[in-house]
Order: sequence, then structure tokens, then C-alpha cells
Amino acid sequence: DSGVTQTPKHLITATGQRVTLRCSPRSGDLSVYWYQQSLDQGLQFLIQYYNGEERAKGNILERFSAQQFPDLHSELNLSSLELGDSALYFCASSVGPGQGAVYGYTFGSGTRLTVV
Amino acid sequence: AQKITQTQPGMFVQEKEAVTLDCTYDTSDQSYGLFWYKQPSSGEMIFLIYQGSYDEQNATEGRYSLNFQKARKSANLVISASQLGDSAMYFCASRSGGSNYKLTFGKGTLLTVNP
Repeated sequence: DSGVTQTPKHLITATGQRVTLRCSPRSGDLSVYWYQQSLDQGLQFLIQYYNGEERAKGNILERFSAQQFPDLHSELNLSSLELGDSALYFCASSVGPGQGAVYGYTFGSGTRLTVV
Repeated sequence: AQKITQTQPGMFVQEKEAVTLDCTYDTSDQSYGLFWYKQPSSGEMIFLIYQGSYDEQNATEGRYSLNFQKARKSANLVISASQLGDSAMYFCASRSGGSNYKLTFGKGTLLTVNP
């Protein structure tokens, strides 16, 4: 157990639907990162939050949004889902925006999303 | 922008032998970090080793070592005494030293350890 908890582990949904992926960071970590892993794009950074505030945005579609709550857990909302959104979505956490560089960002086990 | 290149889509190694997984990086940053992660078939991402751009010594963690050649912009992972459980995807990643601390990943190398 890495200490980063992602739920659900698996999700199957239909095109056009909306889903919410949840991430609880490791205890003491203030920064949360979302990544998408697909066969064609590889591992892509989506978005980063630090202590409730958005810090960086990557290749995140407008149909996707995220937030980090006061208790530091984060949610990634995916709407108007398309077949191409099927992927493994990872959450990672680190102590601070840069401190993870020394100890390694801790990844959750991922949520496997299948859009049918 | 940072870019990571892993030129070996797949590698095979005999159990108990050493193997080197290649990684080259491209960055204009003076300060950066380099990581290796392991992803077994179960899917989780496991942190293996880290090298800072100012670290003079190559990083080592048990059977893992990072062969850091700054001038060549390479950060190869060396696994000594391979074990069957080492069979997995291996990703090299970099982090900028700027305010955006996201990781940029390479496409990965699938390592298969043969008995």
C-alpha cells in the first residue's frame, strides 16, 4: 500500500456519461497530481493541486475538471465521455510541489476507466 | 519543455544477470530531477530511484543504480542480479526545477526476465 488511495479501482461507463474519480493523498502530502495513461499517448500529466489551489495544468481536456478539497483529497471529474477517454488514471502525491523530487512522488494504484 | 526518450520498447534478460535500460532526456533547465518507476502487470507505479541534476554521485538503491551522464543527457537504469519479479514496464521521468513540478515520462521499456 503506497498510502495514496484511489477509488474506484475500475469503472465502466457509457459514452456521454460523467464520472468522478477520487484520490486521497498520502498522509502529510499537500500536493496532488493527476495523470492519464493510455496506449497511444503514454503517461500524460493532467493537472496539479497544492493545498487546495491549482498549480499547473497539462494536457487536460475542457471536458475534464478537478479540485482539491480542504481535507486535501482530490476529485477528477470527466464528462461527456468518449471512447478515447478509456485509460488508466493515476493520482500521485508529494509533500510539497518540489519536495517530492527527493523522495519520489507516490502514486496510487490507479482507476481503470472503460468507456463503452 | 522536457522530453524523455526511451529507445528500447522491449528488453530480455536472463535471471541473475544485469541489465541496462536506456533513457535520454532533453531539458534547458539547470536544475532538474530524474526518476525511474516500475509498473508491473498489476498496474501500480512504483518509485525506484531518483537522481538530482546537481548530484555528483550516481544514485543507488539496492539492486538499482542510475548511470547518470550529464554531458550526454543520459540517465540509464542498471538492474543487477535480475529476478523474475523484475519483469515489468520501466519508465524514466524528469521533473523541471521550475515552479511546475510535474513529471514528464518516457514511453517505457518492457523488461522480461527469463528463468
